[in-house]
Amino acid sequence: DAGVIQSPRHEVTEMGQEVTLRCKPISGHNSLFWYRQTMMRGLELLIYFNNNVPIDDSGMPEDRFSAKMPNASFSTLKIQPSEPRDSAVYFCASSQGLGQPQHFGDGTRLSIL
Amino acid sequence: QQQVKQSPQSLIVQKGGISIINCAYENTAFDYFPWYQQFPGKGPALLIAIRPDVSEKKEGRFTISFNKSAKQFSLHIMDSQPGDSATYFCAATRRGNLIFGKGTKLSVKP
Repeated sequence: DAGVIQSPRHEVTEMGQEVTLRCKPISGHNSLFWYRQTMMRGLELLIYFNNNVPIDDSGMPEDRFSAKMPNASFSTLKIQPSEPRDSAVYFCASSQGLGQPQHFGDGTRLSIL
Repeated sequence: QQQVKQSPQSLIVQKGGISIINCAYENTAFDYFPWYQQFPGKGPALLIAIRPDVSEKKEGRFTISFNKSAKQFSLHIMDSQPGDSATYFCAATRRGNLIFGKGTKLSVKP
């Protein structure tokens, strides 16, 4: 069975550029989550959706970050403009519903120079 | 109230030994407590989880012990193997908002 698919796996770009991270959740899963992982702060929830609707975006660090879920099989996390402190591994996870086990993708390692 | 505190930060265990990782939480509204295992370059993978209506859950070599009154839960890995070497995260949630501990890096020596 296909798990959560994230792309790209690695992204290196210069400060000020727009970055778009993509996620395909597990088919049939209604909830989707975006996390960020850094050495200093660990794993942090950025935003989550239920039935394609954003439920809680209080973890989004700044207005430079935005996330969309146009349909049940696709979500994007966008950073514009990017800054070096945005460098981290970004994970997408999905679950069959809120409160159900979350399954993670293998992440996008983002480096902003 | 939203924090989950995890200890130790790192752990070295001999092959065949027992690995124990502890977590504590504050928010009594949490109703689901999963443990995740993460290998380098991979996403966290759900290992085992418990709800607060039971005090223990066992799956193979992995056991969660849950103490609701103390607001603590722990992961025990019996007969630890070198392949168990990874970073382990406890988490707590209510209705989806997973709050993670800072992680424990486990090394199992042959």
